[in-house]
Amino acid sequence: KAGVTQTPRYLIKTRGQQVTLSCSPISGHRSVSWYQQTPGQGLQFLFEYFSETQRNKGNFPGRFSGRQFSNSRSEMNVSTLELGDSALYLCASSFTAWDRLAYEQYFGPGTRLTVT
Amino acid sequence: ELKVEQNPLFLSMQEGKNYTIYCNYSTTSDRLYWYRQDPGKSLESLFVLLSNGAVKQEGRLMASLDTKARLSTLHITAAVHDLSATYFCAVDPISNDYKLSFGAGTTVTVRA
Repeated sequence: KAGVTQTPRYLIKTRGQQVTLSCSPISGHRSVSWYQQTPGQGLQFLFEYFSETQRNKGNFPGRFSGRQFSNSRSEMNVSTLELGDSALYLCASSFTAWDRLAYEQYFGPGTRLTVT
Repeated sequence: ELKVEQNPLFLSMQEGKNYTIYCNYSTTSDRLYWYRQDPGKSLESLFVLLSNGAVKQEGRLMASLDTKARLSTLHITAAVHDLSATYFCAVDPISNDYKLSFGAGTTVTVRA
């Protein structure tokens, strides 16, 4: 069974540009979450999608947005990039819908974004 | 706001000795997860703890959860070099807000 895939794996952008990252969950998984990982702030939650609906959003500015498609694939977009957006962006998928059963997130390899 | 505190943040282990990583959290939860991350890599799930008193073991690692104390421990027995990595705990609050809150991570280095 294929794992979570993320594209691209590495990205270099300039301040002010925008970027779109893609995540394909494990087949059959309908929940997709995004996290930002930096040395200073650690792992921070960005947003979670289930059946094309955003159910929660972390404390990030409106420049960070996302969406989920009917096939559960998800994209996140960052507009007007800042140097501080340089990070590893991790996508995770889960089968269950947070229904208090066993919920386990499977993480993708991440996209390393560098903003210069 | 949910706070998840891990300690220590850095742990230098000697091969063959036993160590414990602690994860404290500030809100009611009965689900806690441990992950491992190797440098430059993604997160690998180690344990899913789903109830008070839950204990899981895999090889030299054992994790437990005390929901009343809001504490989870990751115990390492007879450390070996390939356990060098960063270990994260993550909490899923009972409020069911569809996200995990992570601790800062414990960077483990095992020396001979």
